[in-house]
Amino acid sequence: SQQGEEDPQALSIQEGENATMNCSYKTSINNLQWYRQNSGRGLVHLILIRSNEREKHSGRLRVTLDTSKKSSSLLITASRAADTASYFCATCPIGGGADGLTFGKGTHLIIQP
Amino acid sequence: EAGVTQFPSHSVIEKGQTVTLRCDPISGHDNLYWYRRVMGKEIKFLLHFVKESKQDESGMPNNRFLAERTGGTYSTLKVQPAELEDSGVYFCASSQEIEQFFGPGTRLTVL
Repeated sequence: SQQGEEDPQALSIQEGENATMNCSYKTSINNLQWYRQNSGRGLVHLILIRSNEREKHSGRLRVTLDTSKKSSSLLITASRAADTASYFCATCPIGGGADGLTFGKGTHLIIQP
Repeated sequence: EAGVTQFPSHSVIEKGQTVTLRCDPISGHDNLYWYRRVMGKEIKFLLHFVKESKQDESGMPNNRFLAERTGGTYSTLKVQPAELEDSGVYFCASSQEIEQFFGPGTRLTVL
């Protein structure tokens, strides 16, 4: 599998429900970042979690990181129609926190009203 | 504060032609990155500038691609000559520390 591979590839839920997306990666990392991309638009940075952190919150977002399993999850609580977008995880290799990121193919999330 | 901007937003050219993409990073950001997403594939890192110096250009696909960042401010990415497989969305990002801020991308179509 690819570095920074998300699953599921697509997810459709009802508004108000929680959405969970997972990301797996292969090599050791300095940090992992989650991004959102609305259709046809740029990437919006959501949250960054460093390799020595296990969980982080930002508003309705919760990110976990398990470096022993090389995996991360993004939880969006109380989803809204505006959360419909593609979500990507991106990893930064160990040794350089500002290095180029490796992205997965993304999870396309659809929130049904 | 203005975000990362890219120009043009769309470009349609014919195979063999030259195209130059421009990226203006957030003011004060020393790090500037170029990424590319071709249809159906993941976003791929191309290269990384620190100020005007190329820190890492391991992702550049071949010598038809030339990136510059004269003066350490804006950057250009030139494709010459363009090939069909160069079609995709080219993203620029900038950072001062770790968090990278992305521009809206330039959609390049090579016919």
